[in-house]
Amino acid sequence: NAGVTQTPKFQVLKTGQSMTLQCAQDMNHNSMYWYRQDPGMGLRLIYYSASEGTTDKGEVPNGYNVSRLNKREFSLRLESAAPSQTSVYFCASERRRGNNSPLHFGNGTRLTVT
Amino acid sequence: EDQVTQSPEALRLQEGESSSLNCSYTVSGLRGLFWYRQDPGKGPEFLFTLYSAGEEKEKERLKATLTKKESFLHITAPKPEDSATYLCAVTAGNYGQNFVFGPGTRLSVLP
Repeated sequence: NAGVTQTPKFQVLKTGQSMTLQCAQDMNHNSMYWYRQDPGMGLRLIYYSASEGTTDKGEVPNGYNVSRLNKREFSLRLESAAPSQTSVYFCASERRRGNNSPLHFGNGTRLTVT
Repeated sequence: EDQVTQSPEALRLQEGESSSLNCSYTVSGLRGLFWYRQDPGKGPEFLFTLYSAGEEKEKERLKATLTKKESFLHITAPKPEDSATYLCAVTAGNYGQNFVFGPGTRLSVLP
């Protein structure tokens, strides 16, 4: 049982390049989330998908787009990377948004934008 | 604005030296408080959920408690393998159930 799987684990981009971060969960969870983690700050929500077919902005959505491909997969796209997007990105899933169940996290993608 | 703070920022203990980590929150209508452990290079791993003041949860050397303003994570007789960053997060009614995370406490347990 893999839980939440993220790819790639590491990525270096030049300013202006684009990339897609992939996330898949095998727990049959309905809700999925993308967070970024920066030193000294708490995890900040970028986008979420409460259920298949829906996506919504979180606290820091600018510069990002998401796609809920199916119930298992939720991708995050950076169209034109900026140095401010250097961070560790975590995908998480939840049984169902709003029922106060815990988030389950992947092991992150470490992104550097030069 | 809903806020979560954690103290201390970093804590160094000798093996066997018990201590507590603090998570203070300012939210309207707490729905749940969550503790996570995060090892270097890994994602946060869920430990506990607390829902109401007075509630306590235990797991091995860890015990989490909750009051109306804060939560404590008590670590009894810690071992080096307890070294990690401990995160707390809250969900509250006026955030549409989004999790609000604290910055974490980095715990080092020395043998």
